[in-house]
Amino acid sequence: EVQVVESGGGSVQPGGSLRLSCVASGFRFDDYAMHWVRQAPGKGLEWVSGISWNSGDIGYAASVRGRFTISRDNAKNSLYLQMHSLRDEDTALYYCAKESPDRWARYYDSWGQGTLVTVSS
Amino acid sequence: DIQMTQYPPSLSASVGDRVILTCRTSQNINRYLNWYQQKPGKAPKLLIYGASTLQSGVPSRFSGSGSGTDFTLTISSLQPEDFATYFCQQSYSTRTFGQGTKVEIK
Repeated sequence: EVQVVESGGGSVQPGGSLRLSCVASGFRFDDYAMHWVRQAPGKGLEWVSGISWNSGDIGYAASVRGRFTISRDNAKNSLYLQMHSLRDEDTALYYCAKESPDRWARYYDSWGQGTLVTVSS
Repeated sequence: DIQMTQYPPSLSASVGDRVILTCRTSQNINRYLNWYQQKPGKAPKLLIYGASTLQSGVPSRFSGSGSGTDFTLTISSLQPEDFATYFCQQSYSTRTFGQGTKVEIK
């Protein structure tokens, strides 16, 4: 069974740091790009960051660029998101998602249940 | 970044209704358009990828169409379990999502 499980969320003060982790199982992790997507309370989905299978291609949303760093360890089937200089507006449920490729598509076919990050003084 | 516009933001419909949701992009994305369904307290679920390919296990009452900048998701006969929020997403470039359409019971 394909599964991704996030961890590392919690409460942090503005300006603080947090590191999220996502452990994958049930598929060959190093064959797939992985992404982070977040959802603020009561809001829609926002793409945060993505990383290719070999870490050669990395992207960030403008809202987090320069503050967040995505990485992966294929030997550990793990994806990470290091978050610095956290702001109130970073408060959200953070999802890890596996991205599958197709001829005219790249899509998220597996999602975790999310890990909640709360930034508040 | 490519901007996504979904409409309507919400709609009320009855069981058995045919429902059409629309997603428009700010530039040509060919067919790199996906649809997700999200229920309260749950992770999003992939319904359609590549604009029109039904994800395995998704009921055939869901269908997608379009290419370029205009796309639709159609639910041919709305079922009680379909009341949820639907998001479109483009994967042509840096990923972006639409704001969502909430389908509510009439």
